[in-house]
Amino acid sequence: GENVEQHPSTLSVQEGDSAVIKCTYSDSASNYFPWYKQELGKRPQLIIDIRSNVGEKKDQRIAVTLNKTAKHFSLHITETQPEDSAVYFCAALGQGGKLIFGQGTELSVKP
Amino acid sequence: DAGVIQSPRHEVTEMGQEVTLRCKPISGHDYLFWYRQTMMRGLELLIYFNNNVPIDDSGMPEDRFSAKMPNASFSTLKIQPSEPRDSAVYFCASSPAQGGTEAFFGQGTRLTVV
Repeated sequence: GENVEQHPSTLSVQEGDSAVIKCTYSDSASNYFPWYKQELGKRPQLIIDIRSNVGEKKDQRIAVTLNKTAKHFSLHITETQPEDSAVYFCAALGQGGKLIFGQGTELSVKP
Repeated sequence: DAGVIQSPRHEVTEMGQEVTLRCKPISGHDYLFWYRQTMMRGLELLIYFNNNVPIDDSGMPEDRFSAKMPNASFSTLKIQPSEPRDSAVYFCASSPAQGGTEAFFGQGTRLTVV
C-alpha cells in the first residue's frame, strides 16, 4: 500500500546551523506534499507545502524541494533557533484524497 | 470558524469498556481524517471520509474499531472493547477539497486504557 518514509527520526543541531529532513513516498500518483510542525502537547500545524508541478519552494528560513522522478522530498531549515525544536512530519496526498504521514523527526536545536 | 473540534480532550477508561471519540470538522470541508499518534508508529491514518462516505478504512487496526460520519458536521470513532494498547492520542483532521489543500487538525483526544 501507500507509504511515506521519513529520516532521520531524531536530529540535534546547534543554534544557527541548518537542518535537513528527508522523505520518500511510494504512490506515484501523489501530487501534494505538506510539512507539519508539532510542538509538545499540541496539534500538528502546517508550515509549508509543495505541489507536484513545482521543484522547490521557500518561505523565509524554510524551504522544500521535490524530486518526482525519485519520489523524494526534503525540508530545509536554515539559521535554526531554539523555537524550531519540535517534531516535524512530512506527508503525501495520494489518489482519492488519502493523506499519509511519515513517522516524524524530533528536531532539537541547542542554544 | 472555531476550527476542528474534538471531544473529549482526555479519556481514561478501563479495559473492556466502550470508548467513543467525537469530531466536528470545519464547516464546508469535504474530507475528514482520523489519525492515531503513538511514539512508536507516529501518525497513523485509521480511516478517512469524503462527503460523509468512508473511502478507505484499511488503517483501522481491528474490528474493535469503527467510525461513522452521519452528517457533514459530525464524526465518531468507537473502540469496543478497549484494550491498554489502544492508549494513544487520536486526532481528527479536515480539509476543504482534493487537489492539495491544508488539512487542519483538532486538538486531539488523549486516550488512556487501564
